[in-house]
Amino acid sequence: SAVISQKPSRDICQRGTSLTIQCQVDSQVTMMFWYRQQPGQSLTLIATANQGSEATYESGFVIDKFPISRPNLTFSTLTVSNMSPEDSSIYLCSVVWGPNTEAFFGQGTRLTVV
Amino acid sequence: GNSVTQMEGPVTLSEEAFLTINCTYTATGYPSLFWYVQYPGEGLQLLLKATKADDKGSNKGFEATYRKETTSFHLEKGSVQVSDSAVYFCALVGGGGATNKLIFGTGTLLAVQP
Repeated sequence: SAVISQKPSRDICQRGTSLTIQCQVDSQVTMMFWYRQQPGQSLTLIATANQGSEATYESGFVIDKFPISRPNLTFSTLTVSNMSPEDSSIYLCSVVWGPNTEAFFGQGTRLTVV
Repeated sequence: GNSVTQMEGPVTLSEEAFLTINCTYTATGYPSLFWYVQYPGEGLQLLLKATKADDKGSNKGFEATYRKETTSFHLEKGSVQVSDSAVYFCALVGGGGATNKLIFGTGTLLAVQP
């Protein structure tokens, strides 16, 4: 397993602003992912954070809205840009150690946009 | 594509009652299967897993058996406690789909009353 630290744990932001969420893993890992969990719903994959290259986004998510950085094998950031109330969600980072294995999650960032 | 169908909640039980949360999956091959638990205000924690047919995953009194013939992975616990109140997610990876992206069910809210 891994210790995955995510911050901030929660934030209340004004619409039109941006928030950057950080994810730190205590060991090197190849595969990191960012998920969104809207209120009362399941997890939706936003993108795969690739070390040294651009993130790979899922359908319905774009880089301009959710830019991602992955400068090394232990760290990634997700920015939620130009926020609106519809962006109010829990954002989670996760890591996977290998194919067909379980994912481990950070504790999540609870974002409220007002 | 691959998918997970999960019993809708909320499920409300009295303490010491028997719990079953149904989960079925669709996959072209043989995925790895997982149950995750999300306690209030927290991220997701892996509860148990099974990687091949007839495997039984178990943890904290919870069990689930990988049934290939019925494509199911139902979660059971013989005697629930108030502290088990949480949202439970069934998930899969692989099985003809992407080998590193988990697919989640919709989640089932369990509320255990004293």
